Amino acid sequence: SQQGEEDPQALSIQEGENATMNCSYKTSINNLQWYRQNSGRGLVHLILIRSNEREKHSGRLRVTLDTSKKSSSLLITASRAADTASYFCATDAQGAQKLVFGQGTRLTINP
Amino acid sequence: GAGVSQSPSNKVTEKGKDVELRCDPISGHTALYWYRQSLGQGLEFLIYFQGNSAPDKSGLPSDRFSAERTGGSVSTLTIQRTQQEDSAVYLCASSLTFMTQYFGPGTRLLVL
Repeated sequence: SQQGEEDPQALSIQEGENATMNCSYKTSINNLQWYRQNSGRGLVHLILIRSNEREKHSGRLRVTLDTSKKSSSLLITASRAADTASYFCATDAQGAQKLVFGQGTRLTINP
Repeated sequence: GAGVSQSPSNKVTEKGKDVELRCDPISGHTALYWYRQSLGQGLEFLIYFQGNSAPDKSGLPSDRFSAERTGGSVSTLTIQRTQQEDSAVYLCASSLTFMTQYFGPGTRLLVL
């Protein structure tokens, strides 16, 4: 079963608005990452947050992590048409040398 | 090259044929991963290499699937006697550690 579960599955907003995506996971982790995928091809790493961190920023991206609730959120501020993509969270199960990806959120930014 | 490359980018095959998918990781990356992504779905882990060894093959869906890595670099994923349910995008990633992975563009496989 998937370690990470994103919601919503799909999100459509107007350009300039903020987009928030959530990820929940099941087991203890060392870190959580967010990736973006355009057009069903390769994924691009966006940001990594460690289990001892609560919030991290990178440009227009803001990631939060709540280990007590086993959840994370990705906020994209001032969205642009180019942000249209699928976004995946990925977690490492402690002791496992691999990442487990969620099902993703399909984000559409309408001009 | 600067990034992970995969070949072919698209492959159409007939049911029952064997296919080989190739991944060239970023130079110096010791870890290499294969994933499968069905239409509109998340990534399904297949296999992980550290150097030429595969400590984790747990994701390979059946004994028709195999992978090897030579020289700590190029990896080949082989699917024997392909079935229609094997149709998917096969993604390869490499990393220095498993924490941040760099993905190739994928191979889109269609089994008719």
